Amino acid sequence: AQSVTQLGSHVSVSEGALVLLRCNYSSSVPPYLFWYVQYPNQGLQLLLKYTTGATLVKGINGFEAEFKKSETSFHLTKPSAHMSDAAEYFCAVSDSGGTSYGKLTFGQGTILTVHP
Amino acid sequence: NAGVTQTPKFRVLKTGQSMTLLCAQDMNHEYMYWYRQDPGMGLRLIHYSVGEGTTAKGEVPDGYNVSRLKKQNFLLGLESAAPSQTSVYFCASSYIGELFFGEGSRLTVL
Repeated sequence: AQSVTQLGSHVSVSEGALVLLRCNYSSSVPPYLFWYVQYPNQGLQLLLKYTTGATLVKGINGFEAEFKKSETSFHLTKPSAHMSDAAEYFCAVSDSGGTSYGKLTFGQGTILTVHP
Repeated sequence: NAGVTQTPKFRVLKTGQSMTLLCAQDMNHEYMYWYRQDPGMGLRLIHYSVGEGTTAKGEVPDGYNVSRLKKQNFLLGLESAAPSQTSVYFCASSYIGELFFGEGSRLTVL
């Protein structure tokens, strides 16, 4: 069975500061890993994903994440926060199988607040 | 492009009433999913479909039924609504590892 733990349900940063959102997972098979962002009253939007290959993955809006198998982690970072980054962020994992792509297990979410 | 469209966006039900949520996608995706989102719990998979005419149970299927009669539509039904089904419901379709979500349907069961 898969599981995802996001450390910290709320993270607050100043504009221009580093953003670090933590995600640890467990999976019995090689995982596919995702970060999604949700703005108020909207659906989720894919930020980035790791399937195979390079462990440092770059996504939209300047975000990136690094897959560390030894630490079972997939932390999301952005060097400099912008006010528009304020949203809820979800880490998710799926089995690395074709029909499993959308059968994601989500973390509980981290609300990012950005202060001027 | 419309993408994934959910109707209705808001609904209030009384306990025991039935209703159907409709999801439509115009991207010709084979796979479709219904998730529910509850505070502090992320999203949980209710049912999913890997193609027209097929459905399968997800993590929390009890109290829900689904149908996929047409490739572009995926219906989620509540036969007898309960307060525990108060939630925001998201439909999604997927293609090559990316989920495309609708904007959600907020359901309140009194």
